[in-house]
Amino acid sequence: NAGVTQTPKFQVLKTGQSMTLQCAQDMNHEYMSWYRQDPGMGLRLIHYSVGAGITDQGEVPNGYNVSRSTTEDFPLRLLSAAPSQTSVYFCASSYRANTEAFFGQGTRLTVV
Amino acid sequence: GDSVTQMEGPVTLSEEAFLTINCTYTATGYPSLFWYVQYPGEGLQLLLKATKADDKGSNKGFEATYRKETTSFHLEKGSVQVSDSAVYFCALINAGGTSYGKLTFGQGTILTVHP
Repeated sequence: NAGVTQTPKFQVLKTGQSMTLQCAQDMNHEYMSWYRQDPGMGLRLIHYSVGAGITDQGEVPNGYNVSRSTTEDFPLRLLSAAPSQTSVYFCASSYRANTEAFFGQGTRLTVV
Repeated sequence: GDSVTQMEGPVTLSEEAFLTINCTYTATGYPSLFWYVQYPGEGLQLLLKATKADDKGSNKGFEATYRKETTSFHLEKGSVQVSDSAVYFCALINAGGTSYGKLTFGQGTILTVHP
């Protein structure tokens, strides 16, 4: 059972470049979300989706876009990378919005 | 808004010592409470949960009780092992208000267990 799969695991970008972080889950979960993890700050919600075709902003959405065309996939797009976006990014899914979340392995992103 | 406060780390213990990691929260309504664990280089794994007051979550020898009167969810283990070395996160989900489905995390506590 794959669970939540994120790619890539590591990425280095130059300032101004764009990229997409991939996230897929095979548990038929309705709810998916993206978090960023920064030292001493726990995890903060970037965007979330309650189902295919429905997305909304979390607490730190600026500089990121998402879409949810299928139940399985929830990619995160960085439009124009900035050093402040250097972080570890986690995708999570849950059966419903208020049930426990299952996390991917994370993507460590460095913007230089 | 909702918030979670964990005891500051890092915490360093010898094998077989007793572990307590304090967690308190601020939230309206009746949040569900979680402990997640992150081993080096890995994602977060759910360790245990409690969904209502006085519930006790338990897993792998770890326990935590949802105390609404003290707004706390302290993590305990009677005898830690080297393999318990990891970062531990306390978190809550609040079903109400504008926090729809959002996990609010504490800042994490690094635990190191020496043989």
